[in-house]
Amino acid sequence: DAGVIQSPRHEVTEMGQEVTLRCKPISGHNSLFWYRQTMMRGLELLIYFNNNVPIDDSGMPEDRFSAKMPNASFSTLKIQPSEPRDSAVYFCASSLAGGRTGELFFGEGSRLTVL
Amino acid sequence: AQSVTQLDSHVSVSEGTPVLLRCNYSSSYSPSLFWYVQHPNKGLQLLLKYTSAATLVKGINGFEAEFKKSETSFHLTKPSAHMSDAAEYFCVVSDHLDSNYQLIWGAGTKLIIKP
Repeated sequence: DAGVIQSPRHEVTEMGQEVTLRCKPISGHNSLFWYRQTMMRGLELLIYFNNNVPIDDSGMPEDRFSAKMPNASFSTLKIQPSEPRDSAVYFCASSLAGGRTGELFFGEGSRLTVL
Repeated sequence: AQSVTQLDSHVSVSEGTPVLLRCNYSSSYSPSLFWYVQHPNKGLQLLLKYTSAATLVKGINGFEAEFKKSETSFHLTKPSAHMSDAAEYFCVVSDHLDSNYQLIWGAGTKLIIKP
C-alpha cells in the first residue's frame, strides 16, 4: 500500500490567493483527519470525517477554511482567501474504526507558505 | 477534562545511553495511550499503543512504555539511543465522548542524540 498521499508537498502563494490541498487516504480506511502543525501552536485537529461525513469541524479556524470528502478515496482542504498566518504544514491522516483505535496513518504533509 | 503533559520540550542524550521521555495524562475514562514519532520533514508514525491490556507496551525500534495508573504516567523509554532516534515524540491520549472519540495530543518532546 502506498500510504496516505498528499499533494502538493510544498506550496508558496501570495496573500489572497486560493489554496487547495489534496489527500488520498489508505484504501479501506473509513476515517480521515486534517491537522495543521505550526511551531507556535503545535498539532491542531482541523476536521474529522467518518464514512465521508464531517463529524467534527470545530477546529476549522474560520470561514476561509473548508474541507470536503466527495468519496472514500479523496479529500480536499481549501483556504480562500489565504493569509500569511495560514502558513503551516497541513497533514492528512486516515484510520479504521472511526479513529477509536487511535492508530492514525499520516501523510508526509503539505508545507504551505503564504507571502 | 482530558489533558496530556509532556514534561520536557527537549531531551538530549548521548548515543548508546538510555532514553526517557516523560508523559503524564489526566482522563475521566479508562484511556488509551499512544506515542507517535515525527522525523524531520516527515509525517507522524505510531510508535506504540496501550489499550488496557499489558501495562508494559513494546513498540517499534526498541522503544517501550509503561502505563502507571497510580501515577497517571506513560513514559517512553529505550535502553540505548541511536542517532536515527533523533526526532520529535508525541504522547497522545484517547477518550471516548458519547459516540465520538477524541485524541488529545501532547506538545511534543524533541529528542537530540549527541554522537
